[in-house]
Amino acid sequence: DAGVIQSPRHEVTEMGQEVTLRCKPISGHDYLFWYRQTMMRGLELLIYFNNNVPIDDSGMPEDRFSAKMPNASFSTLKIQPSEPRDSAVYFCASSLEGGDTQPQHFGDGTRLSIL
Amino acid sequence: EDQVTQSPEALRLQEGESSSLNCSYTVSGLRGLFWYRQDPGKGPEFLFTLYSAGEEKEKERLKATLTKKESFLHITAPKPEDSATYLCAVQAVVGISGGYNKLIFGAGTRLAVHP
Repeated sequence: DAGVIQSPRHEVTEMGQEVTLRCKPISGHDYLFWYRQTMMRGLELLIYFNNNVPIDDSGMPEDRFSAKMPNASFSTLKIQPSEPRDSAVYFCASSLEGGDTQPQHFGDGTRLSIL
Repeated sequence: EDQVTQSPEALRLQEGESSSLNCSYTVSGLRGLFWYRQDPGKGPEFLFTLYSAGEEKEKERLKATLTKKESFLHITAPKPEDSATYLCAVQAVVGISGGYNKLIFGAGTRLAVHP
């Protein structure tokens, strides 16, 4: 079975540029989550969707961050303009409905470096 | 405030030397406690879900247990391939208003098993 697929795996760009991260969740999963992982702060939830609708974006650090889920099989996380402090590994995860009893399954992440 | 603390931060074992990792949590009401394994350059991989005190789950050399305040991940006769970071996450019960409570992750324990 295909797991959560993220692209690109690595992204290096200069400060001020727009960055778009992509995620394809596991087919049939109803919840989609975007996380950020750093050494200092660990894994932090940025935003999650249920049935393509954003439910909680309280973890999004600034207005420079935005996320969309146009359909059940695709989501994007966009940073515009990017800053060096946005450098981190960004993970997408998905789970089945009944999300509070179902485990989240993670992709392998996008390692983002902002110069 | 919901909180998860994992100890030790890092653990070095010889192959075959059994040990335990600790996950202490503070949550208003526990809906579930999750254990994940994360390899370098990969996303967290789901291992176990525990729901109530006294519950135990096993998988190969790993056994997870749960009390009202903490969870242990016991590793019996570890092998070098068990080397990874082990993450613990808790989820609070959903309130009367319903909805979904996000996972709160600990900082993880980095386990190194040497031959």
